[in-house]
Amino acid sequence: KQEVTQIPAALSVPEGENLVLNCSFTDSAIYNLQWFRQDPGKGLTSLLLIQSSQREQTSGRLNASLDKSSGRSTLYIAASQPGDSATYLCAVNQAGTALIFGKGTTLSVSS
Amino acid sequence: NAGVTQTPKFRILKIGQSMTLQCAQDMNHNYMYWYRQDPGMGLKLIYYSVGAGITDKGEVPNGYNVSRSTTEDFPLRLELAAPSQTSVYFCASSITGGNYEQYFGPGTRLTVT
Repeated sequence: KQEVTQIPAALSVPEGENLVLNCSFTDSAIYNLQWFRQDPGKGLTSLLLIQSSQREQTSGRLNASLDKSSGRSTLYIAASQPGDSATYLCAVNQAGTALIFGKGTTLSVSS
Repeated sequence: NAGVTQTPKFRILKIGQSMTLQCAQDMNHNYMYWYRQDPGMGLKLIYYSVGAGITDKGEVPNGYNVSRSTTEDFPLRLELAAPSQTSVYFCASSITGGNYEQYFGPGTRLTVT
């Protein structure tokens, strides 16, 4: 059974730092991996989707990498800002339908 | 283009009551999904649909029912609500399965007391 783990569960950094969020999964047979942002009491906003054949995707200050063979993905956030404070969720699409989610990393960026 | 919309935003139910959570999308997506999110946990799939008239169970379907009579709408029915169904419910859609991105609605926060 596919399991998705995100480390750390919480992270606090000062504004301007570059940071890395980690996601690992147990079964490498995936269609894609998606990173989401969730603000308190809000829905999920899709940040990046990496297809299984891709190694990375970039959007602005965000860069996500995928290493299928080792079952790992990282989300790199450059020059963090207080507005980046949120919970970041990683999810894998294994069967072409349901996403399997990690529990998330809650990021706090202080000014 | 409103994307995925959900109603209501909040609801409090008494044990044993029933209700329907509404979900609609205006992107002409074939696939639609219902997930629940418990505090401090990731989302888990309840039911999904690959097209009008076709639905299938996810990881946690007990206590719920769905129907899909149109491409746009995918309501989730709770029968005989229980405290264990207190959660935040998210509806999502995608063009099809496989490599396509899923788009999420804003969620319905349900409390059963």
